[in-house]
Amino acid sequence: ETGVTQTPRHLVMGMTNKKSLKCEQHLGHNAMYWYKQSAKKPLELMFVYNFKEQTENNSVPSRFSPECPNSSHLFLHLHTLQPEDSALYLCASSQILASSYEQYFGPGTRLTVT
Amino acid sequence: AQTVTQSQPEMSVQEAETVTLSCTYDTSESDYYLFWYKQPPSRQMILVIRQEAYKQQNATENRFSVNFQKAAKSFSLKISDSQLGDAAMYFCAYSSGNTPLVFGKGTRLSVIA
Repeated sequence: ETGVTQTPRHLVMGMTNKKSLKCEQHLGHNAMYWYKQSAKKPLELMFVYNFKEQTENNSVPSRFSPECPNSSHLFLHLHTLQPEDSALYLCASSQILASSYEQYFGPGTRLTVT
Repeated sequence: AQTVTQSQPEMSVQEAETVTLSCTYDTSESDYYLFWYKQPPSRQMILVIRQEAYKQQNATENRFSVNFQKAAKSFSLKISDSQLGDAAMYFCAYSSGNTPLVFGKGTRLSVIA
């Protein structure tokens, strides 16, 4: 596997379910990101990890819980979601957290909350 | 707070023709980076081109070039000799210091054969 991978690619869950999204980067990067992409809205940054430490939580509701066990893996744990949380969730990574570095994106997980 | 505005939700271009996508941004910083990302229908976002604000010369990558107007805070993307594979969502993005990217809403580009 190369680049940034995300699993699952599609997920349908009820509001009472608990599920997790997984992201893995094979690029040797040290910064990882979660974004939410909804129709007709800019990409919303959710969380940032730099060298496994969370550096940014963009006022994300507590029903979204990130986990970064090492620099290569990033999880987003989901519980008691709302229908408005349905969106494409994108993971990205960069060499380090700095403005000059390109972010590499995964293919995303399409989440539908019923 | 920094903002990025893409005023064209949708654009279309004939194959082999040239198209320009607009982007403006707002910042009080003097040192920053600007990016254009492409998101094809398969949804994996990739970097198209990057511009450092301290460089006066416009960045170019093959058929892709930018018109960077720092005083006007404008950063447009020109695609020359458009190809069917250029059809995608294009996002303009801004970053400075240690802050992550700030994205615009995107422009959906269609290429007509």
